[in-house]
Amino acid sequence: GIQVEQSPPDLILQEGANSTLRCNFSDSVNNLQWFHQNPWGQLINLFYIPSGTKQNGRLSATTVATERYSLLYISSSQTTDSGVYFCAVDTGRRALTFGSGTRLQVQP
Amino acid sequence: DSGVTQTPKHLITATGQRVTLRCSPRSGDLSVYWYQQSLDQGLQFLIQYYNGEERAKGNILERFSAQQFPDLHSELNLSSLELGDSALYFCASSTGQGKAFFGQGTRLTVV
Repeated sequence: GIQVEQSPPDLILQEGANSTLRCNFSDSVNNLQWFHQNPWGQLINLFYIPSGTKQNGRLSATTVATERYSLLYISSSQTTDSGVYFCAVDTGRRALTFGSGTRLQVQP
Repeated sequence: DSGVTQTPKHLITATGQRVTLRCSPRSGDLSVYWYQQSLDQGLQFLIQYYNGEERAKGNILERFSAQQFPDLHSELNLSSLELGDSALYFCASSTGQGKAFFGQGTRLTVV
């Protein structure tokens, strides 16, 4: 099956810093989604981004499908951004294959 | 609030027992997916239902089963529970494009 790799696995930032999270995938995908799992365990859909660039406030994402990677940018990080960020891909059957996540800790 | 409702939020049960987890998808979504999140396996797809029919199967054990009812809510049945089944179980529903919305999860602890 498809492999989804995320980097870095762990990231510690000071409040106000910027960061870039990366997701590589091993095969063609129908779509790619980014999720944030907060400390209470809730999974929140940040972006549905099969290709191109999208922005939502301080967050933006870019997917280059032809090169099989996606990037999630977090600017001016806040403590509420802490949690685990997952990249997930859909290869056509709509079920998602998840990466192992990037654990982000934003310190005040 | 994603619009996907899962109950219960927490469940503690003994080995060998059977439990039922319940999920109501977002209004208008016909697909329901079940995922398991454990420390060693990460987030894994278990099974998908679309408008009452099983659509796809992932890494679902034979001791586990699911169904989707005419009102589109779904139930995941876990039987002969083992310590290793302790995990966070998520339900999700998706738009026609496939954008997924997750419920708050059921944290299952098997003791």
